[in-house]
Amino acid sequence: GENVEQHPSTLSVQEGDSAVIKCTYSDSASNYFPWYKQELGKGPQLIIDIRSNVGEKKDQRIAVTLNKTAKHFSLHITETQPEDSAVYFCAASTKPSGNTPLVFGKGTRLSVIA
Amino acid sequence: DTGVSQDPRHKITKRGQNVTFRCDPISEHNRLYWYRQTLGQGPEFLTYFQNEAQLEKSRLLSDRFSAERPKGSFSTLEIQRTEQGDSAMYLCASSLGIEQSKPLSGANVLTFGAGSRLTVL
Repeated sequence: GENVEQHPSTLSVQEGDSAVIKCTYSDSASNYFPWYKQELGKGPQLIIDIRSNVGEKKDQRIAVTLNKTAKHFSLHITETQPEDSAVYFCAASTKPSGNTPLVFGKGTRLSVIA
Repeated sequence: DTGVSQDPRHKITKRGQNVTFRCDPISEHNRLYWYRQTLGQGPEFLTYFQNEAQLEKSRLLSDRFSAERPKGSFSTLEIQRTEQGDSAMYLCASSLGIEQSKPLSGANVLTFGAGSRLTVL
């Protein structure tokens, strides 16, 4: 089955700097790659996603890039703010229709230092 | 609609007791998922429903676990004879299915609830 690896496990950045989180996946059939943000005491919240027919997607300060050949995708957060501090999870879905449940990485705890 | 609701938010029980969690999904979503999350880990898939049909179960879902979605709306997850290893956050999520979503890009976009935290003593 699918296996998703996520790095780093923890990341500290100064406010205003950029943060990059990387994930690799094992199943070449995966074609849906969302990123979730989880704050303390809350469930994961979708922040951005990308499907395999595009290589990059951007939404304000957040962007995701996908390299299907290398089977890795990354989350980029620019101009970080203290409210970006949270745990971020990448995930992958193993069927083209998105019919299978997501497989998640282990998460990255991002701390933005003011 | 206030999103995905889970109840109770916290449950402390003694080993060997049974517990039940309830999830109310977003009303127009026909898919409902249960995930388990332990400390420092990502969510792990347990099972999912399309309407009232349970379509897939993970090998993590031992025979002590049972999930139902009798009318295709809310769902319950019951754990019988709880063990300390069952202590975790149990997350529920819902989504549109591909047959509901036009364009397709809306399908399988999971919205999670806040979770039910189980502590087994």
